[in-house]
Amino acid sequence: GENVEQHPSTLSVQEGDSAVIKCTYSDSASNYFPWYKQELGKRPQLIIDIRSNVGEKKDQRIAVTLNKTAKHFSLHITETQPEDSAVYFCAAWNYGQNFVFGPGTRLSVLP
Amino acid sequence: EPEVTQTPSHQVTQMGQEVILRCVPISNHLYFYWYRQILGQKVEFLVSFYNNEISEKSEIFDDQFSVERPDGSNFTLKIRSTKLEDSAMYFCASNPGQGVGGYTFGSGTRLTVV
Repeated sequence: GENVEQHPSTLSVQEGDSAVIKCTYSDSASNYFPWYKQELGKRPQLIIDIRSNVGEKKDQRIAVTLNKTAKHFSLHITETQPEDSAVYFCAAWNYGQNFVFGPGTRLSVLP
Repeated sequence: EPEVTQTPSHQVTQMGQEVILRCVPISNHLYFYWYRQILGQKVEFLVSFYNNEISEKSEIFDDQFSVERPDGSNFTLKIRSTKLEDSAMYFCASNPGQGVGGYTFGSGTRLTVV
């Protein structure tokens, strides 16, 4: 089955700096890769996603890149703000299957 | 915007007791899911449900667990004889079709087994 790894497990950045979180997946059939932001005690919220036929997607300060050959994808947050502090989960999904989540990255943006 | 609603938001139960977690998926959705998140850990898939039957379940979803769609709106997760290690956040999710578009998580039920 699918296995998703995520690094780093914790990340601290200064406000205004960029943050990058990387995930790798094992199943080459996975074709959809969302990123979720989870604030303490709340549900995972989808922040950006990418499908396997696209190499990069951007939404304001957030971007995701996908390397299908290497089976890894990354979340990029630019101009970080304190409200970006949360746990971020990547996930991989294959048609007809279910999400497999990475272990999460705790991002702290220091003012 | 349509939401997946879960009740209760927090449930405390004695070890060995049975609990039922309730979910109301988005009304036109056909696929339903339960996920579990132990505090500080990743979200783990438990079970998916379609056409009034389980379509897939993980190794976590053993005989202690069962799911039901007792009427046209509710989707429940029953945990029999709860154990301390069942303490977690349980998320329901629903999806309009087998594709990924529209996949929506509920707000979660925090289960505490004491």
